[in-house]
Amino acid sequence: GAGVSQSPSNKVTEKGKDVELRCDPISGHTALYWYRQSLGQGLEFLIYFQGNSAPDKSGLPSDRFSAERTGGSVSTLTIQRTQQEDSAVYLCASSLGLADQETQYFGPGTRLLVL
Amino acid sequence: GDSVTQMEGPVTLSEEAFLTINCTYTATGYPSLFWYVQYPGEGLQLLLKATKADDKGSNKGFEATYRKETTSFHLEKGSVQVSDSAVYFCALRGRRSQNFVFGPGTRLSVLP
Repeated sequence: GAGVSQSPSNKVTEKGKDVELRCDPISGHTALYWYRQSLGQGLEFLIYFQGNSAPDKSGLPSDRFSAERTGGSVSTLTIQRTQQEDSAVYLCASSLGLADQETQYFGPGTRLLVL
Repeated sequence: GDSVTQMEGPVTLSEEAFLTINCTYTATGYPSLFWYVQYPGEGLQLLLKATKADDKGSNKGFEATYRKETTSFHLEKGSVQVSDSAVYFCALRGRRSQNFVFGPGTRLSVLP
């Protein structure tokens, strides 16, 4: 594909509901990142996938957050029992995953609003 | 852990003014350093990067030099334009951790 795509672009949900956010990385990119950007804040790292290695989950804020990457391509970020403080823009990025090819390409983000 | 500190915004300048956005970092070893830009209504995109000490990254008239001695990567542009109005993020990628660490961002507004 031409770039990283994310869906949905916007999601409004009620507190306590589960949500799934999807990321389609650039074809051939082995590295995939999820970030959270709260209003007026910087990017907060959530999770990182590299090839078939175990993901780095060190940034996930609680056990309500989980992510999968199937077939080394598409990734889904799941937030269970959403809380109002989960409201943010969730960004996905991919890169070639090579040591000297560190440029990340970002998707447009999913804007999540928890009421 | 690794961290990035940026000057707080917002920064407001007149067109053709000189721009400096300060960025300093804390990291183990020698990380790669990046500036990303987010234009209004758009996603983040890489502006420039430097992967080792004394390297200078440049793009679109912006420059930043990797200063190991001061652990800094300040962004500069000699003459800003209205179209440069955006949020600028300084970031690093450590040698040990493969994660990227971003600064909080600096909002730049350029007035005609």
